[in-house]
Amino acid sequence: KAGVTQTPRYLIKTRGQQVTLSCSPISGHRSVSWYQQTPGQGLQFLFEYFSETQRNKGNFPGRFSGRQFSNSRSEMNVSTLELGDSALYLCASSLGTEMGYGYTFGSGTRLTVV
Amino acid sequence: GNSVTQMEGPVTLSEEAFLTINCTYTATGYPSLFWYVQYPGEGLQLLLKATKADDKGSNKGFEATYRKETTSFHLEKGSVQVSDSAVYFCALRYSGAGSYQLTFGKGTKLSVIP
Repeated sequence: KAGVTQTPRYLIKTRGQQVTLSCSPISGHRSVSWYQQTPGQGLQFLFEYFSETQRNKGNFPGRFSGRQFSNSRSEMNVSTLELGDSALYLCASSLGTEMGYGYTFGSGTRLTVV
Repeated sequence: GNSVTQMEGPVTLSEEAFLTINCTYTATGYPSLFWYVQYPGEGLQLLLKATKADDKGSNKGFEATYRKETTSFHLEKGSVQVSDSAVYFCALRYSGAGSYQLTFGKGTKLSVIP
């Protein structure tokens, strides 16, 4: 079955612009999370959605936002981009919310801000 | 709060050597524990998991045992191959305030030389 699909794979944006990243979870998965990966900070949690509701948000400024649609697809948006937003953004989906479920990750979107 | 500490890398081993990557965690209650692997240019793949004390997760020759008394989840493999070269992340997932986010360690880069 198809895995987690993230689009686009690569993105170059200019400071001050905004960007929208897309994530299609595995069919049947209703939980979607987003993570930012950088060499300095490692993997940091951004948001978690379940059935269109944001369950939790990480410690990121309000420029970072997200949403989940009724088909479980998710988008995240970053406004007023800064150089420090350059990172690999990973989306992960899970079958459910039980702790034992592991997340399946997509290949990520590599965002470069210049 | 919850946290995961991994041994710092990079780790360089010869093919067929024994691998241990140490992982300890801090969490209230009983989290689920995971090992993820990231190959160059890709997202994270779930390697193995354990959901309760004394559980042993295993996959592709890798093993890790959930040790509650030492709050550890060390990754082991008896004979590594060049294809095992990757970054390995230890993670926990804990239910707190309705959230099931993953908390990751910093990652350990493994290089296996022929």
